[in-house]
Formats: sequence, structure tokens, C-alpha cells
Amino acid sequence: ILNVEQSPQSLHVQEGDSTNFTCSFPSSNFYALHWYRWETAKSPEALFVMTLNGDEKKKGRISATLNTKEGYSYLYIKGSQPEDSATYLCAFEDNNDMRFGAGTRLTVKP
Amino acid sequence: EAGVAQSPRYKIIEKRQSVAFWCNPISGHATLYWYQQILGQGPKLLIQFQNNGVVDDSQLPKDRFSAERLKGVDSTLKIQPAKLEDSAVYLCASSLAGLAGGSYNEQFFGPGTRLTVL
Repeated sequence: ILNVEQSPQSLHVQEGDSTNFTCSFPSSNFYALHWYRWETAKSPEALFVMTLNGDEKKKGRISATLNTKEGYSYLYIKGSQPEDSATYLCAFEDNNDMRFGAGTRLTVKP
Repeated sequence: EAGVAQSPRYKIIEKRQSVAFWCNPISGHATLYWYQQILGQGPKLLIQFQNNGVVDDSQLPKDRFSAERLKGVDSTLKIQPAKLEDSAVYLCASSLAGLAGGSYNEQFFGPGTRLTVL
């Protein structure tokens, strides 16, 4: 993988459902993996920065895991709420560059 | 702490017109970035400044885009003349240090300017 790829492109879930998204990135020259949450008409907000293989981070109902050897990260949301509706971006950082995926657009229906 | 400020938030222009965007980074942040995010794609770096010097502008279409960061604080990004394909959200971000600064690069984003070129 040369680029950063996110899947799915969009997701619609019901309130209370748990969900997860994938970020795939190059497995060489890894420096850090960033997750951002971007609500419409607001600034992208940093959720996690992950630097070590096997890292797991958690913030409230949102958690993320990292596998640098195979080049993927998962973002999990437990018990989705309408306020979780946003685009979730991941960004791969090597020592020269930061490349973004196209994002996963999550819509949580009440 | 005040975040990254951008203006205007929205702009609609006709092709071949000119447009300028303004960004005020977080106080004390040496590095400033301009990104272009076209619908359905991830943000793409246009230009990176370290203080008032350009670090990377390899993806800036220099025939029509220009950017400056006078005095190493505020920055403006200009498009002259605009094309239909310039319709996008233009994000400004800032960080304490830049890429390859010895630690991971935590960037803080403004709300963006949504440009529509008709």
C-alpha cells in the first residue's frame, strides 16, 4: 500500500450500535498514525496519536488499535450516539510527510 | 487557548476570479500548513511554512496559487485565476514543530474555508 486508505467510505448506524472503521497505511518508514474527528462546519479535532506497534488508546467510548507490521489501525465506537456523527480521518506520518485518508463518514440515527 | 482561526468560512466565486484566504495559527506555533480537501478525498498538503520560510511547496500549483507568511505569524493563500477544479475546503493547520522535528507532528486545524467556483 502506497497511500492511506480508509474503509468503509460511509456508514449509517442506529443509536446504540457499536461500529468500527479501518485505516490502511504503508508498513515502511512508520513514524505515527493520527486519528481525527471532523464534524461538519467545525475544525478537525485530534482523537489519538499512535506510535508503537500494538498501541491501544481509549477516550470514553472510542478506542483505537495499531498494527504497524501489517499497516492497519482500527477505530472502534461503542454504543454510538447521534453526536458521534462526523467524518473520521486517519493520517500516516513518516519522517518527511503526513498523508491523509479520505475519511469514513459516520451517521448515527436516533 | 485560542485555536486556529480562518476566514472567510465560505466563498463563492466565478471561474477566472481571484480569491484570498487568511489564517491565524495558534500563538507560538512555528509551523503552518495549508491543505486542500476536495470532496471525497483526504486533505492534501499545498504548502508548509516554518516561521516565515517555505519548507515544502511541492504540491502547490504555482501558476495560480501563492501563499505567504509575513512575520512568521498570519498567512494568506491566494488563487488567481480560479478554476472549477479549485472547489474544495481549504484547511489551515499549525504545530509547534514541523515534520521531521524529532517527535510526532501534532497538528491543530482551523475550521476551513469552503470555496465554490462556478
